[in-house]
Amino acid sequence: SAVISQKPSRDICQRGTSLTIQCQVDSQVTMMFWYRQQPGQSLTLIATANQGSEATYESGFVIDKFPISRPNLTFSTLTVSNMSPEDSSIYLCSVEDPGSLYGYTFGSGTRLTVV
Amino acid sequence: GQQLNQSPQSMFIQEGEDVSMNCTSSSIFNTWLWYKQDPGEGPVLLIALYKAGELTSNGRLTAQFGITRKDSFLNISASIPSDVGIYFCAGPLGGSEKLVFGKGMKLTVNP
Repeated sequence: SAVISQKPSRDICQRGTSLTIQCQVDSQVTMMFWYRQQPGQSLTLIATANQGSEATYESGFVIDKFPISRPNLTFSTLTVSNMSPEDSSIYLCSVEDPGSLYGYTFGSGTRLTVV
Repeated sequence: GQQLNQSPQSMFIQEGEDVSMNCTSSSIFNTWLWYKQDPGEGPVLLIALYKAGELTSNGRLTAQFGITRKDSFLNISASIPSDVGIYFCAGPLGGSEKLVFGKGMKLTVNP
């Protein structure tokens, strides 16, 4: 199955700044997904990133706050913009992975703390 | 939107005991997935279920896809300390590629 490298693994950021999270996959994948996991909570889908088109955002998430890039079939970035303490969460990327048992593999996540 | 109701939210058990958890939905799912998340890691798929009534095992783990397609359970037998973590049920939304997750069950195993 696909191997995902997600960077950074954790960061502490000042409010008002932005952080860009990278997701690199070792094989070409069509669909990549970005999730947020707030402290002690479940995973919530932020958006779906497809190469060559704009990301599709879920209800409650907007492009200005979470701009996403998908320049090729192995890479994507998620930016958390103008951060506030409420953005403190784990951010995870996931890929559609035909090589896995069902089809979805997750990165190890980026633990973001905004102070 | 669609939600998965997962219970219990947490369990504290002794090593060697069995544990069960379940997930229900008001909507029909065509696939049920069970993930485990260790601290500092992303979720890892444990078992995938594809049809109603299906009973699938993966080592000490057994999961079933409910007949109504609105529920699933996961059972862990003879628990060991490395079973500690958070267990999530999940399923694809309305035939799409997007997954919706349950709230998770935090398992603590006392040696």
